[in-house]
Amino acid sequence: DSGVTQTPKHLITATGQRVTLRCSPRSGDLSVYWYQQSLDQGLQFLIQYYNGEERAKGNILERFSAQQFPDLHSELNLSSLELGDSALYFCASSPSGQGEETQYFGPGTRLLVL
Amino acid sequence: GIQVEQSPPDLILQEGANSTLRCNFSDSVNNLQWFHQNPWGQLINLFYIPSGTKQNGRLSATTVATERYSLLYISSSQTTDSGVYFCAVDRPETGANNLFFGTGTRLTVIP
Repeated sequence: DSGVTQTPKHLITATGQRVTLRCSPRSGDLSVYWYQQSLDQGLQFLIQYYNGEERAKGNILERFSAQQFPDLHSELNLSSLELGDSALYFCASSPSGQGEETQYFGPGTRLLVL
Repeated sequence: GIQVEQSPPDLILQEGANSTLRCNFSDSVNNLQWFHQNPWGQLINLFYIPSGTKQNGRLSATTVATERYSLLYISSSQTTDSGVYFCAVDRPETGANNLFFGTGTRLTVIP
């Protein structure tokens, strides 16, 4: 158990819909990362937050948005869903979000868009 | 961006055999992690190893940062070692520590 929690574990929805994925980081970690794992793109970085502020952006679509709340949990919002958004979405956390530290990954949310 | 290449892409072993997985990366890094993704999809941290050698039970890893590669050794493999092994590195110039993943090595251990 990494200490990072994600809900829900599984999500099935239809094209055009909107969903929200939730992540709670390890106790004491200030930085949260979101990653997407799909069959065609592999594991790729989406976005990073540190203490409520966006720190880095990766290959995140404009239809996707995220935020980190004062209690440090984070939500990833996916809207106007397409079939290709079906993937495993991971959240990770680390203490400061900089340089030489380990990222710990949550169990993931498996999203299926029908 | 930084390139991460893993080899071999697939590996089939008899239970009890040893194996070496390789990760090459194209630039200097602050962070290098090895992960095991089990058949249920869970990503499990194995090592944080931007340089040097570490051991944990039957697993060990070595990173030679100056030559831009890392090796993961699995000894006396067990069926529970099956899954995909990923190497991931950061891009130090960004200062942000987000990870770039290789395409993985799929390991199958047969009894």
